[in-house]
Amino acid sequence: LAKTTQPISMDSYEGQEVNITCSHNNIATNDYITWYQQFPSQGPRFIIQGYKTKVTNEVASLFIPADRKSSTLSLPRVSLSDTAVYYCLVGSNFGNEKLTFGTGTRLTIIP
Amino acid sequence: DTEVTQTPKHLVMGMTNKKSLKCEQHMGHRAMYWYKQKAKKPPELMFVYSYEKLSINESVPSRFSPECPNSSLLNLHLHALQPEDSALYLCASSQVLRVSDEQYFGPGTRLTVT
Repeated sequence: LAKTTQPISMDSYEGQEVNITCSHNNIATNDYITWYQQFPSQGPRFIIQGYKTKVTNEVASLFIPADRKSSTLSLPRVSLSDTAVYYCLVGSNFGNEKLTFGTGTRLTIIP
Repeated sequence: DTEVTQTPKHLVMGMTNKKSLKCEQHMGHRAMYWYKQKAKKPPELMFVYSYEKLSINESVPSRFSPECPNSSLLNLHLHALQPEDSALYLCASSQVLRVSDEQYFGPGTRLTVT
């Protein structure tokens, strides 16, 4: 699995757009990029997944440049409830690949 | 129903005890996972079952023994644990064993070994 690098922590004010970038220089052709959110004392929750270009759902957008060596999770108009740890994961569908969580980004929303 | 349930929510056990953690899902998922998570660290994969067969064992000590009695249930049997095994134990499931499949996580069991 491609190793990922994310900022350890970020702070943002309520109502702002937050962008969290993940670097994955060794991403393979068949790898997908997946983001999970985790609140304290809860299990992670799937946010969004993409392969290339841009993916958007009701919660977030995921931007992936053409070389796919990085990706950016965009959270529009954050609120206090978006305070959580965000994990970027990269992996493919082949064989018994496992999902390895990186260190994650601890996002704190300030009122 | 998109829920993964785990019992118990909290567990305190001595180093000579035997206990079990239970996980259940009714989404028809055929892959089920155990993770261990220490405070302020990411979840670490322990075991993966695919179609009720153990597919991945991440070199976990034998004092942790997984069991998948059927496609909806996953157990983790604990015996002779050490204090450093205290952690949040998370269960997850996905449609099949495939990295791109969304994993649904349970709330976890907070284990304390005394």
